[in-house]
Amino acid sequence: GAVVSQHPSRVICKSGTSVKIECRSLDFQATTMFWYRQFPKKSLMLMATSNEGSKATYEQGVEKDKFLINHASLTLSTLTVTSAHPEDSSFYICSARAGYNEQFFGPGTRLTVL
Amino acid sequence: QKEVEQNSGPLSVPEGAIASLNCTYSDRGSQSFFWYRQYSGKSPELIMSIYSNGDKEDGRFTAQLNKASQYVSLLIRDSQPSDSATYLCAVNEIRYSTLTFGKGTMLLVSP
Repeated sequence: GAVVSQHPSRVICKSGTSVKIECRSLDFQATTMFWYRQFPKKSLMLMATSNEGSKATYEQGVEKDKFLINHASLTLSTLTVTSAHPEDSSFYICSARAGYNEQFFGPGTRLTVL
Repeated sequence: QKEVEQNSGPLSVPEGAIASLNCTYSDRGSQSFFWYRQYSGKSPELIMSIYSNGDKEDGRFTAQLNKASQYVSLLIRDSQPSDSATYLCAVNEIRYSTLTFGKGTMLLVSP
């Protein structure tokens, strides 16, 4: 299958700081990327859909000013958690759509906000 | 509202047995169906995709789709302890780009 990378894999930061997470499709071009969040033992929750060169579409209840998404190229999307707080601590996972409909997930970024 | 239903489990099977995981979906317009495996603390991994009625086999995995019954299943033959994970069913329509995920079924394969 297609390969999607994420960086960093783990980050610990202080409350009030901003954290940027990168998602890259390594061997294919992804016109659409997705950002998910998953709390322990809970289901995946879609946060936003990102199309290359256009503004992201956020799911209901997700603050677009807090979770900034940029999809500047066909292989890179970034998620910036601004002014992070302990309640933002979670597992953030991106995915990229390849070809017809298949989505491939990155390995995830575990964010801990102290 | 599109819904994808899965039994949360856990489904417990002995090593070497066949594990059968089931999924139903509400949207009759759904065209694409996927099974993902998620190990604890890891991200989901795509293991099977199926688009037309019938069976699709890949190694020890067989996906089965019945659009009339709005039902998709995953069979795992010769189950191994390493198959122990949560299996997510995902569905989408051609017109939409987002997948609708079920909550997943936890599979436990005992040695």
